[in-house]
Amino acid sequence: AQKVTQAQTEISVVEKEDVTLDCVYETRDTTYYLFWYKQPPSGELVFLIRRNSFDEQNEISGRYSWNFQKSTSSFNFTITASQVVDSAVYFCALIRKGNQGGKLIFGQGTELSVKP
Amino acid sequence: EPEVTQTPSHQVTQMGQEVILRCVPISNHLYFYWYRQILGQKVEFLVSFYNNEISEKSEIFDDQFSVERPDGSNFTLKIRSTKLEDSAMYFCASSEGQLTSGMPDTQYFGPGTRLTVL
Repeated sequence: AQKVTQAQTEISVVEKEDVTLDCVYETRDTTYYLFWYKQPPSGELVFLIRRNSFDEQNEISGRYSWNFQKSTSSFNFTITASQVVDSAVYFCALIRKGNQGGKLIFGQGTELSVKP
Repeated sequence: EPEVTQTPSHQVTQMGQEVILRCVPISNHLYFYWYRQILGQKVEFLVSFYNNEISEKSEIFDDQFSVERPDGSNFTLKIRSTKLEDSAMYFCASSEGQLTSGMPDTQYFGPGTRLTVL
């Protein structure tokens, strides 16, 4: 069975602090895909990133970076110099290879609150 | 930038009533999905739809639920006889479905419809 665990339910930081959101997954598949989505207070789900299980290169996009470690089944997300606009619930999700039209399996989400 | 749209943004209904939630997926996408999120909980898959057929469904998607693509643009979720526990945010999503390499495409989500069953 596949499972995604985001152990941090809520994180609160002060603006300009760096923050890392943890994501640990379980799957028996050797090829799979991992995603991060952001859910701001307005409620929509915004796609942030997709990673393939065979590509363990870290990725940086502006203030966002992602650390994928297959050995520990983790796909952590770091926001550098956080801003109030980063306040949202962040979801990590998993889908298996070849699963076109298949389901995303989401973690419970981490609610990030960035205070001014 | 193309986006998934959903109507209404909020639907209030009485228990036992039928509701239809509407979605307009991104125009060149071939796969469509419904997910739901009970307040404060994780997002759960309900069903996926391709080529006018259900591609995959979860155990949540029982006989009370149905999906339809009534025309070339809309994708609907019908709940025949709503229950209190159907109260949730319902998200529609779509994906391109063009890749043949076996890699699943990114699913893009709409803003959601908040369903409240009284």
